[in-house]
Amino acid sequence: DTGVSQNPRHKITKRGQNVTFRCDPISEHNRLYWYRQTLGQGPEFLTYFQNEAQLEKSRLLSDRFSAERPKGSFSTLEIQRTEQGDSAMYLCASSARDSSPLHFGNGTRLTVT
Amino acid sequence: DAKTTQPNSMESNEEEPVHLPCNHSTISGTDYIHWYRQLPSQGPEYVIHGLTSNVNNRMASLAIAEDRKSSTLILHRATLRDAAVYYCILRPYSGAGSYQLTFGKGTKLSVIP
Repeated sequence: DTGVSQNPRHKITKRGQNVTFRCDPISEHNRLYWYRQTLGQGPEFLTYFQNEAQLEKSRLLSDRFSAERPKGSFSTLEIQRTEQGDSAMYLCASSARDSSPLHFGNGTRLTVT
Repeated sequence: DAKTTQPNSMESNEEEPVHLPCNHSTISGTDYIHWYRQLPSQGPEYVIHGLTSNVNNRMASLAIAEDRKSSTLILHRATLRDAAVYYCILRPYSGAGSYQLTFGKGTKLSVIP
């Protein structure tokens, strides 16, 4: 079990630029989740994949955000035209089944200047 | 969403037991009680979960009140590595809410050497 891997760990970008984050889940897990966490708050759900299908998206996921999971393996989260309010920790998690515990990565910390 | 209420912070002396409370008066019959913790600069980590009976694992014990309206996470001997934010989460066994974990602000546990 190599765990959930997220890259990069840190990203600093200027307002208006596009950024993309990658998540590699635990290999046998077909469920994948993205969460966002701001300072002092608990993680907030963004979106959920079962294999390659994106089954749920939060209202937090504006039109500038897009997530993909081609071939049901790794996933990417892209933010277009970043804003300062997008600064947060973006967490990825995976699980084997809907009722199984989630395994989280250590996140990508985004800073928009 | 079923809500939980936790103290904002707690302190414990090292090597002493810690009892972290959680109130969930609106819990439904199909909600499992899950606990996750988040160490500094890391993603959340699954700790334990239960439905009605008390549960034990290598990390902690979970004591669930008979009416299920409250629960307590028990760390038998706190170590400095247990300093973290602990989240109590209600998670339906199946359906949409089963994958969309709703985190509150949790309890920040400080361990005093």
